[in-house]
Amino acid sequence: GAGVSQSPSNKVTEKGKDVELRCDPISGHTALYWYRQSLGQGLEFLIYFQGNSAPDKSGLPSDRFSAERTGGSVSTLTIQRTQQEDSAVYLCASSERGQGAGGGELFFGEGSRLTVL
Amino acid sequence: AQSVTQLGSHVSVSEGALVLLRCNYSSSVPPYLFWYVQYPNQGLQLLLKYTSAATLVKGINGFEAEFKKSETSFHLTKPSAHMSDAAEYFCAVTPGAGRRALTFGSGTRLQVQP
Repeated sequence: GAGVSQSPSNKVTEKGKDVELRCDPISGHTALYWYRQSLGQGLEFLIYFQGNSAPDKSGLPSDRFSAERTGGSVSTLTIQRTQQEDSAVYLCASSERGQGAGGGELFFGEGSRLTVL
Repeated sequence: AQSVTQLGSHVSVSEGALVLLRCNYSSSVPPYLFWYVQYPNQGLQLLLKYTSAATLVKGINGFEAEFKKSETSFHLTKPSAHMSDAAEYFCAVTPGAGRRALTFGSGTRLQVQP
């Protein structure tokens, strides 16, 4: 596809279960970002991958959250032992180059809405 | 560390009226600044960006923003609101150097009344 693709678009899970959210960035984009959007809270940075460099994990809220990016393309965000406060829309974005290199535009997916019961 | 503050979580204007959405930033180094828009049930898309060239930046759909270093502001304006402008608007900042992800504000929801 031409844009950033995220799946699933909606996920309802029970407290304590693990979930995986997938992001397919735009082909050729070296940078990939995960953000969390909670009601009234704006976008919270989670993690940033840039090429083959070590990811910037400084935004991950706890050790229950992890992400990987395989082959410099698809990324998976994993949340273990989900809690109700994890309920949010998880947004993935990609850019042709990192933000430090001239302010490249971020292209966002439509998000994965997670509801933890 | 960088941050942005958006004053007003909700702004309501009449169709045809001026739109002014406020954003103030904090950055220890010269920043890059962005405005993104999110229409209902869609992802965010870039409206405009400032990357240390002209201080008045023009974006899509008639929006523009002015970088004012003395006021640490990057307010978004549009002379005449249209119904289709109803959306959530996010200001974002990143340091001009180094590999850092964008830091977003909490967003401002714009309502346009007929």
